[in-house]
Amino acid sequence: EIVLTQSPGTLSLSPGERATLSCRTSQSVSSSYLAWFQQKPGQAPRLLIYGASSRATGIPDRFSGSGSGTDFTLTISRLEPEDFAVYYCQQYGSSPLTFGQGTKVEIK
Amino acid sequence: QVHLVQSGAEVKKPGASVKVSCKASGYPFTAYYIHWVRQAPGQGLEWMGWINPNSGGTNYAQKFQGWVTVTRDTSISTAYMDLSRLTSDDTAVYYCARGDVGMGTDYWGQGTLVTVSS
Repeated sequence: EIVLTQSPGTLSLSPGERATLSCRTSQSVSSSYLAWFQQKPGQAPRLLIYGASSRATGIPDRFSGSGSGTDFTLTISRLEPEDFAVYYCQQYGSSPLTFGQGTKVEIK
Repeated sequence: QVHLVQSGAEVKKPGASVKVSCKASGYPFTAYYIHWVRQAPGQGLEWMGWINPNSGGTNYAQKFQGWVTVTRDTSISTAYMDLSRLTSDDTAVYYCARGDVGMGTDYWGQGTLVTVSS
């Protein structure tokens, strides 16, 4: 099983600032099958990034993903009020699918 | 437009079973896997398994083998997740999600809260 470790656990930032979230995997992720999700309270996760760096349909370009192998990053270039949420990474290249424990982006 | 609509909240007693449905629309149901993921209160996401609606083939996380059963009815584009021998630790929101080979789990249902309480 591939273990995903996200850091930091919580990120306290102000609107307009840049957010950088990290996801490290215990083994190399096949074909960069690494995704990022945003989840707000009471809502289902929403796919932001797939294939490590491709934005899902309708996702603003302030969200970008990068990385390969075992080291991946989600960057939010300028935080909007609606971006404060919990973010999860997921690898879907091998079974079982696994998720990181999440990073909470909160308003400073 | 892709939609996954799940059945409503359930309250069950310990030892009982629960069956959650997930009705798909807006795409060919048999062309994409359906995954099941759960989230305990205040916790992260846990993958349970998937079904290939075309063949009926399934794959479960080791933790859930022998304990969860995922089925489908292609005539009504609906997948089901059946979890048996419930305990309080199974109290969670259960999500279904469409599985795409390249994109992973791209569309998600709204979630179904299952509460296990005596």
